Amino acid sequence: EIVLTQSPDFQSVTPKEKVTITCRASQSIGSSLHWYQQKPDQSPKLLIKYASQSFSGVPSRFSGSGSGTDFTLTINSLEAEDAATYYCHQSSSLPQTFGQGTKVEIK
Amino acid sequence: EVQLVESGGGLVKPGGSLRLSCAASGFTFSSYSMNWVRQAPGKGLEWVSSISSSSSYIYYADSVKGRFTISRDNAKNSLYLQMNSLRAEDTAVYYCARRGGTGTNAFDIWGQGTMVTVSS
Repeated sequence: EIVLTQSPDFQSVTPKEKVTITCRASQSIGSSLHWYQQKPDQSPKLLIKYASQSFSGVPSRFSGSGSGTDFTLTINSLEAEDAATYYCHQSSSLPQTFGQGTKVEIK
Repeated sequence: EVQLVESGGGLVKPGGSLRLSCAASGFTFSSYSMNWVRQAPGKGLEWVSSISSSSSYIYYADSVKGRFTISRDNAKNSLYLQMNSLRAEDTAVYYCARRGGTGTNAFDIWGQGTMVTVSS
């Protein structure tokens, strides 16, 4: 099973600040890495697919990069509505797995 | 509007059974692979099972293999999860999620979830 490790687990950020979340895979997964945002009491929403492809309707301040084992989700100029938990997800091999999540809090 | 709506959750005793349903609308259900993903209270996301568009390919997480059965009825635009021999650790919100179109393995549409509580 491929283990995805996100860092940090928690981040408290001021509005307009830049946020960087990393996701490290226990083995190479190419670009089969996706990012989701989950706000409290809501279902997850797809932000980025295949490491760097923005999903339709997602604000341009969200971007992704990486390949192989190291991936990054960047939120440029954080807004209050971005308070959420962010998860990475690999679809390279079964079982599909998720990172443990990174909670982003607005200061 | 593209939508997934889960139902069937509830309180069940350990060892009991439950059948979850997911009703799809706003898209051609028969063209998409579907998944169940769960989230225990206060915890992260866990993939549970997936089924291809024509039910030809079915996969399960080891944690549910032999106890859960995924199925679909394309004529009814519905996805199901039959859960048997339930355990306390199966307590979670269960989401159905659509796998994006051909060549896309990300989960692009999620339902609102249905809560399953396994407790005596």
